[in-house]
Amino acid sequence: EAQVTQNPRYLITVTGKKLTVTCSQNMNHEYMSWYRQDPGLGLRQIYYSMNVEVTDKGDVPEGYKVSRKEKRNFPLILESPSPNQTSLYFCASSFGGLNTEAFFGQGTRLTVV
Amino acid sequence: QKEVEQNSGPLSVPEGAIASLNCTYSDRGSQSFFWYRQYSGKSPELIMSIYSNGDKEDGRFTAQLNKASQYVSLLIRDSQPSDSATYLCAVNGDNAGNMLTFGGGTRLMVKP
Repeated sequence: EAQVTQNPRYLITVTGKKLTVTCSQNMNHEYMSWYRQDPGLGLRQIYYSMNVEVTDKGDVPEGYKVSRKEKRNFPLILESPSPNQTSLYFCASSFGGLNTEAFFGQGTRLTVV
Repeated sequence: QKEVEQNSGPLSVPEGAIASLNCTYSDRGSQSFFWYRQYSGKSPELIMSIYSNGDKEDGRFTAQLNKASQYVSLLIRDSQPSDSATYLCAVNGDNAGNMLTFGGGTRLMVKP
């Protein structure tokens, strides 16, 4: 089954404790992206990647890191989480280009206390 | 900064009515337009895409695009309670591959 898989689905952590949210897709998509979703603000792009070893900042990259060492994986790293990073996070992938559908993972609800 | 604007709603319509959802965007270079449906706590799922001016119909859904007015809309005919969700407008116009810019979404409530 074609899918984008995120883990964990739910995470509660403390301020400053490094964490990684994993994202994996099995559709051989070149493009992958991370979004955060907050009430009233919609989906905002954090980082995106056009291919292996190619990443770039989205609209809200501060406090986040990503890596793309393999085509299928695109982990999101929070080196020192803060409460303002409490949010619902989505990973998405697509074949790329302008006219292609983005497929989303199930979401990760992160709470930083 | 590219912007995509939607009325947050809620938009309430009776069952069987037509629901009309609207979206405006700021980047005149935008070329691809998408409507996603998102149920509460779930991930967005694509329901319509449109790339050229005019109407595009798929079942009960019709997407309308007017690039001159920088306006895209989604019509849902014969609305059902199962259509109750948040509808996200997304725009892609960056040839470098920056995926999608989303609007804040419109919450639709279809009342039986």
